[in-house]
Amino acid sequence: ETGVTQTPRHLVMGMTNKKSLKCEQHLGHNAMYWYKQSAKKPLELMFVYNFKEQTENNSVPSRFSPECPNSSHLFLHLHTLQPEDSALYLCASSQEQGEQFFGPGTRLTVL
Amino acid sequence: AQSVTQPDIHITVSEGASLELRCNYSYGATPYLFWYVQSPGQGLQLLLKYFSGDTLVQGIKGFEAEFKRSQSSFNLRKPSVHWSDAAEYFCAVGLTGGGNKLTFGTGTQLKVEL
Repeated sequence: ETGVTQTPRHLVMGMTNKKSLKCEQHLGHNAMYWYKQSAKKPLELMFVYNFKEQTENNSVPSRFSPECPNSSHLFLHLHTLQPEDSALYLCASSQEQGEQFFGPGTRLTVL
Repeated sequence: AQSVTQPDIHITVSEGASLELRCNYSYGATPYLFWYVQSPGQGLQLLLKYFSGDTLVQGIKGFEAEFKRSQSSFNLRKPSVHWSDAAEYFCAVGLTGGGNKLTFGTGTQLKVEL
């Protein structure tokens, strides 16, 4: 599925680093999402943006900071992460109540 | 709160055999339902969806699923599995009129023996 792209695909960072994940959707959708996928755990919804406004923050620690400058772009800014934050971070987009289309994910490793 | 259960964590089938992956949900309203597939290191790809109408829905790659309201189930089926179907499968549920939040099951890992 090339409608949703994510960069970088892989990221290794130390606990004191600051990095950002980028997501871009080319589908004309107006909702975008960040999910965290860890081994042996259900997919965890982190944030939801509708028409650039954040409508859901699922009790995510403040070391994760989302940004949605427009309906096509979504960022996840990372700072002072912990090793347990290592996971696959997935971005998705949708119309208001349609199916969600996922990007390929960013595999994050925190040392 | 809504929940989705996929009771089988792992399933192994022989190539050419039929497949059924189970999904049960707990919801107080009319749900809309999805099945996604994920290959290693990749994002989730939509296989099929149910919003309303015919309770037997057809998807990509020869998959189908049947919505049974009385059993709160949305099981995924394929009559003949191919080795390339080996992947992880996720069932997801959303609430009609409840915004665009989906609840995902924990997934079923499918292994295909040649």
